[in-house]
Amino acid sequence: DAGITQSPRYKITETGRQVTLMCHQTWSHSYMFWYRQDLGHGLRLIYYSAAADITDKGEVPDGYVVSRSKTENFPLTLESATRSQTSVYFCASSEKMGLGYTFGSGTRLTVV
Amino acid sequence: GQQLNQSPQSMFIQEGEDVSMNCTSSSIFNTWLWYKQDPGEGPVLLIALYKAGELTSNGRLTAQFGITRKDSFLNISASIPSDVGIYFCAGQLVPGKLIFGQGTTLQVKP
Repeated sequence: DAGITQSPRYKITETGRQVTLMCHQTWSHSYMFWYRQDLGHGLRLIYYSAAADITDKGEVPDGYVVSRSKTENFPLTLESATRSQTSVYFCASSEKMGLGYTFGSGTRLTVV
Repeated sequence: GQQLNQSPQSMFIQEGEDVSMNCTSSSIFNTWLWYKQDPGEGPVLLIALYKAGELTSNGRLTAQFGITRKDSFLNISASIPSDVGIYFCAGQLVPGKLIFGQGTTLQVKP
């Protein structure tokens, strides 16, 4: 199906473990983004990518790693999960800079 | 960092009433966007504004890009139960980076 999909929808992991959240889009959009959503903070940008092999930091990048080897995929890795990374993570894509983003359905991550 | 102040934080209204919410910033933005988020889903774009003073409608929704470029508002006319959700404003100054407001939670009583 066309669109932007995130997996898994829900994930529980332990402190210190590495975990990767997946994001896949079928539109061949150039731009992709990772946000986290927390009560009281709204949506905050973690990382974004303008094209394959081009990534840049957002507002809250510490503790996260991204890669973009293929245009359609933009995985987000927590190298050593901490409880403060418990959040809902949203991936988004956009065809052009300045256009509204299309968001995935989110991954709810709990770090225990 | 840059922040958007979105108000009100929450609204509880009667079906049929009109709704108004706004966002203000100390920074000038060149794009303003309004999103709606349903429970368990990602935000969905409602309206995009690209020029100062621009007034754009999408059905019962109307949004305006403030002439100072530091604010925007969203109006919903004749609210219905399916309008329930969280509404976010977002501003873009630097290409590729949207700054989101804290959200306005709307509840509609039938």
